[in-house]
Amino acid sequence: DADVTQTPRNRITKTGKRIMLECSQTKGHDRMYWYRQDPGLGLQLIYYSFDVKDINKGEISDGYSVSRQAQAKFSLSLESAIPNQTALYFCATSPGRGARGDEQYFGPGTRLTVT
Amino acid sequence: AQKVTQAQTEISVVEKEDVTLDCVYETRDTTYYLFWYKQPPSGELVFLIRRNSFDEQNEISGRYSWNFQKSTSSFNFTITASQVVDSAVYFCALSENNYGQNFVFGPGTRLSVLP
Repeated sequence: DADVTQTPRNRITKTGKRIMLECSQTKGHDRMYWYRQDPGLGLQLIYYSFDVKDINKGEISDGYSVSRQAQAKFSLSLESAIPNQTALYFCATSPGRGARGDEQYFGPGTRLTVT
Repeated sequence: AQKVTQAQTEISVVEKEDVTLDCVYETRDTTYYLFWYKQPPSGELVFLIRRNSFDEQNEISGRYSWNFQKSTSSFNFTITASQVVDSAVYFCALSENNYGQNFVFGPGTRLSVLP
Protein backbone atom coordinates (compact mmCIF):
# COMPACT_ATOMS: atom_id res chain seq x y z
CA ASP A 1 0.00 0.00 0.00
CA ALA A 2 1.12 3.54 -0.73
CA ASP A 3 2.68 5.45 2.16
CA VAL A 4 1.06 8.75 1.16
CA THR A 5 -2.45 8.68 -0.26
CA GLN A 6 -4.63 11.43 -1.63
CA THR A 7 -8.37 11.52 -2.21
CA PRO A 8 -9.93 12.17 -4.59
CA ARG A 9 -7.50 11.52 -7.43
CA ASN A 10 -9.53 13.54 -9.87
CA ARG A 11 -12.22 16.14 -9.27
CA ILE A 12 -14.20 18.48 -11.43
CA THR A 13 -16.07 21.23 -9.63
CA LYS A 14 -17.78 24.48 -10.45
CA THR A 15 -16.75 28.02 -9.64
CA GLY A 16 -17.83 29.05 -6.16
CA LYS A 17 -18.05 25.55 -4.74
CA ARG A 18 -16.22 24.51 -1.61
CA ILE A 19 -13.97 21.52 -2.05
CA MET A 20 -11.70 19.53 0.23
CA LEU A 21 -8.70 17.46 -0.78
CA GLU A 22 -7.52 14.89 1.71
CA CYS A 23 -4.12 13.42 2.43
CA SER A 24 -3.20 10.52 4.66
CA GLN A 25 0.20 9.02 5.45
CA THR A 26 1.43 5.89 7.12
CA LYS A 27 5.08 6.93 7.27
CA GLY A 28 4.81 8.31 10.78
CA HIS A 29 6.24 11.63 9.66
CA ASP A 30 5.62 14.80 11.62
CA ARG A 31 5.67 17.17 8.68
CA MET A 32 3.17 17.44 5.91
CA TYR A 33 2.89 19.77 2.92
CA TRP A 34 0.50 20.79 0.18
CA TYR A 35 1.81 21.89 -3.21
CA ARG A 36 0.19 22.80 -6.47
CA GLN A 37 1.74 22.15 -9.84
CA ASP A 38 1.03 24.27 -12.88
CA PRO A 39 2.66 23.59 -16.25
CA GLY A 40 6.06 25.25 -16.50
CA LEU A 41 6.05 26.45 -12.90
CA GLY A 42 7.22 23.41 -11.01
CA LEU A 43 5.67 22.93 -7.60
CA GLN A 44 4.64 25.80 -5.40
CA LEU A 45 4.13 25.41 -1.67
CA ILE A 46 0.62 26.25 -0.42
CA TYR A 47 0.76 25.29 3.27
CA TYR A 48 2.90 23.18 5.52
CA SER A 49 2.50 21.72 8.98
CA PHE A 50 5.22 20.67 11.38
CA ASP A 51 2.81 18.98 13.75
CA VAL A 52 -0.85 18.99 14.61
CA LYS A 53 -0.66 22.38 16.29
CA ASP A 54 1.74 24.05 13.89
CA ILE A 55 0.46 25.19 10.51
CA ASN A 56 2.22 27.68 8.28
CA LYS A 57 1.48 29.48 5.05
CA GLY A 58 3.56 28.78 1.99
CA GLU A 59 4.18 31.04 -0.96
CA ILE A 60 0.69 30.82 -2.49
CA SER A 61 -1.76 30.33 0.39
CA ASP A 62 -4.41 32.87 -0.68
CA GLY A 63 -7.70 31.15 -1.48
CA TYR A 64 -6.75 27.99 0.44
CA SER A 65 -7.05 26.74 4.00
CA VAL A 66 -5.82 23.59 5.70
CA SER A 67 -6.59 21.39 8.64
CA ARG A 68 -4.25 18.95 10.37
CA GLN A 69 -6.69 16.58 11.97
CA ALA A 70 -4.06 14.16 13.21
CA GLN A 71 -0.41 13.40 12.63
CA ALA A 72 -1.43 11.23 9.70
CA LYS A 73 -4.00 13.51 8.09
CA PHE A 74 -3.70 16.89 6.41
CA SER A 75 -6.54 18.29 4.33
CA LEU A 76 -6.61 21.22 1.93
CA SER A 77 -9.76 23.25 1.34
CA LEU A 78 -10.75 25.66 -1.38
CA GLU A 79 -13.49 27.73 0.22
CA SER A 80 -14.80 29.13 -3.04
CA ALA A 81 -13.11 27.51 -6.02
CA ILE A 82 -12.12 29.62 -9.01
CA PRO A 83 -10.92 28.49 -12.45
CA ASN A 84 -7.30 29.53 -11.91
CA GLN A 85 -7.12 27.00 -9.10
CA THR A 86 -7.27 24.30 -11.74
CA ALA A 87 -4.04 22.40 -11.17
CA LEU A 88 -2.43 19.21 -9.99
CA TYR A 89 -2.20 19.14 -6.19
CA PHE A 90 0.38 17.14 -4.30
CA CYS A 91 0.60 16.23 -0.65
CA ALA A 92 4.02 15.41 0.78
CA THR A 93 5.52 14.33 4.08
CA SER A 94 8.97 14.52 5.62
CA PRO A 95 10.43 13.17 8.86
CA GLY A 96 11.38 16.61 10.17
CA ARG A 97 14.17 15.19 12.22
CA GLY A 98 17.42 13.36 11.73
CA ALA A 99 20.00 13.73 9.05
CA ARG A 100 17.41 13.37 6.28
CA GLY A 101 14.65 15.32 7.94
CA ASP A 102 13.84 17.32 4.84
CA GLU A 103 13.52 14.41 2.43
CA GLN A 104 10.00 14.69 1.04
CA TYR A 105 7.77 11.83 -0.02
CA PHE A 106 4.89 12.65 -2.32
CA GLY A 107 1.40 11.35 -2.78
CA PRO A 108 0.09 10.46 -6.23
CA GLY A 109 -1.52 13.85 -6.78
CA THR A 110 -5.07 15.13 -7.19
CA ARG A 111 -6.07 16.63 -10.51
CA LEU A 112 -8.57 19.41 -9.84
CA THR A 113 -10.53 21.16 -12.55
CA VAL A 114 -12.66 24.20 -11.74
CA THR A 115 -15.14 25.10 -14.47
CA ALA B 1 15.55 33.89 -0.91
CA GLN B 2 16.53 30.68 -2.57
CA LYS B 3 15.88 29.96 -6.22
CA VAL B 4 16.30 27.03 -8.59
CA THR B 5 16.66 27.46 -12.33
CA GLN B 6 16.31 24.73 -14.91
CA ALA B 7 16.96 26.54 -18.15
CA GLN B 8 16.07 23.60 -20.40
CA THR B 9 12.32 23.47 -20.73
CA GLU B 10 12.24 20.47 -23.02
CA ILE B 11 14.85 18.07 -24.36
CA SER B 12 14.45 15.34 -26.93
CA VAL B 13 17.02 12.62 -27.49
CA VAL B 14 17.12 9.33 -29.31
CA GLU B 15 17.36 6.18 -27.28
CA LYS B 16 20.90 5.28 -26.15
CA GLU B 17 22.09 8.85 -26.29
CA ASP B 18 23.50 10.46 -23.16
CA VAL B 19 21.68 13.52 -21.87
CA THR B 20 22.46 16.10 -19.19
CA LEU B 21 19.81 18.09 -17.37
CA ASP B 22 21.05 21.36 -15.93
CA CYS B 23 20.20 22.80 -12.54
CA VAL B 24 21.50 26.09 -11.16
CA TYR B 25 20.58 27.26 -7.69
CA GLU B 26 20.82 30.37 -5.57
CA THR B 27 21.06 30.44 -1.82
CA ARG B 28 22.70 32.54 0.87
CA ASP B 29 23.07 29.65 3.25
CA THR B 30 26.26 27.67 3.55
CA THR B 31 24.33 24.57 4.53
CA TYR B 32 21.73 23.39 2.07
CA TYR B 33 20.45 20.29 0.35
CA LEU B 34 19.80 19.58 -3.29
CA PHE B 35 17.38 17.08 -4.74
CA TRP B 36 16.25 15.61 -8.02
CA TYR B 37 12.78 14.19 -8.56
CA LYS B 38 11.32 12.40 -11.56
CA GLN B 39 7.72 12.80 -12.65
CA PRO B 40 6.79 10.16 -15.24
CA PRO B 41 3.68 10.52 -17.42
CA SER B 42 1.64 8.77 -14.74
CA GLY B 43 2.10 11.90 -12.61
CA GLU B 44 3.65 10.76 -9.36
CA LEU B 45 6.87 12.29 -8.06
CA VAL B 46 9.74 9.90 -7.56
CA PHE B 47 12.69 10.82 -5.37
CA LEU B 48 16.04 10.28 -7.10
CA ILE B 49 18.77 11.82 -4.99
CA ARG B 50 19.57 14.11 -2.07
CA ARG B 51 22.93 15.83 -1.71
CA ASN B 52 24.14 18.12 1.05
CA SER B 53 26.27 21.17 0.39
CA PHE B 54 29.32 19.73 2.13
CA ASP B 55 29.54 16.72 -0.10
CA GLU B 56 30.82 17.64 -3.54
CA GLN B 57 31.60 14.13 -4.61
CA ASN B 58 29.88 13.14 -7.78
CA GLU B 59 27.46 10.28 -7.47
CA ILE B 60 26.64 7.48 -9.83
CA SER B 61 23.66 5.17 -9.61
CA GLY B 62 23.40 2.84 -12.55
CA ARG B 63 22.82 4.96 -15.63
CA TYR B 64 22.25 8.08 -13.53
CA SER B 65 25.00 10.40 -12.36
CA TRP B 66 25.05 13.77 -10.68
CA ASN B 67 27.69 16.48 -10.86
CA PHE B 68 27.63 18.93 -7.97
CA GLN B 69 29.81 22.03 -8.36
CA LYS B 70 29.58 24.67 -5.65
CA SER B 71 31.82 27.02 -7.62
CA THR B 72 29.14 27.37 -10.28
CA SER B 73 26.13 26.63 -8.02
CA SER B 74 25.13 23.76 -10.25
CA PHE B 75 23.81 20.28 -9.64
CA ASN B 76 23.51 18.65 -13.04
CA PHE B 77 21.99 15.28 -13.77
CA THR B 78 23.22 12.97 -16.53
CA ILE B 79 21.46 9.93 -17.90
CA THR B 80 23.76 7.61 -19.80
CA ALA B 81 22.42 5.43 -22.60
CA SER B 82 18.93 6.87 -22.25
CA GLN B 83 15.88 4.66 -22.55
CA VAL B 84 12.28 5.36 -23.47
CA VAL B 85 11.30 4.76 -19.83
CA ASP B 86 13.41 7.76 -18.87
CA SER B 87 10.87 10.03 -20.55
CA ALA B 88 9.53 12.24 -17.78
CA VAL B 89 9.67 15.69 -16.27
CA TYR B 90 12.65 16.08 -13.98
CA PHE B 91 12.67 18.57 -11.13
CA CYS B 92 15.63 19.93 -9.25
CA ALA B 93 14.92 21.25 -5.75
CA LEU B 94 16.74 23.08 -2.97
CA SER B 95 16.23 22.99 0.79
CA GLU B 96 18.01 25.54 2.95
CA ASN B 97 17.88 23.40 6.06
CA ASN B 98 17.01 19.86 6.87
CA TYR B 99 13.66 20.70 8.40
CA GLY B 100 11.76 20.94 5.14
CA GLN B 101 10.02 24.27 5.24
CA ASN B 102 12.27 26.11 2.80
CA PHE B 103 11.95 23.66 -0.03
CA VAL B 104 11.96 25.21 -3.50
CA PHE B 105 11.47 23.42 -6.80
CA GLY B 106 12.76 24.41 -10.19
CA PRO B 107 10.28 24.61 -13.09
CA GLY B 108 11.26 21.20 -14.41
CA THR B 109 12.75 19.85 -17.64
CA ARG B 110 10.64 17.61 -19.84
CA LEU B 111 12.77 14.84 -21.31
CA SER B 112 11.50 12.85 -24.25
CA VAL B 113 13.48 9.78 -25.25
CA LEU B 114 12.53 8.63 -28.71
CA PRO B 115 12.89 5.01 -29.83
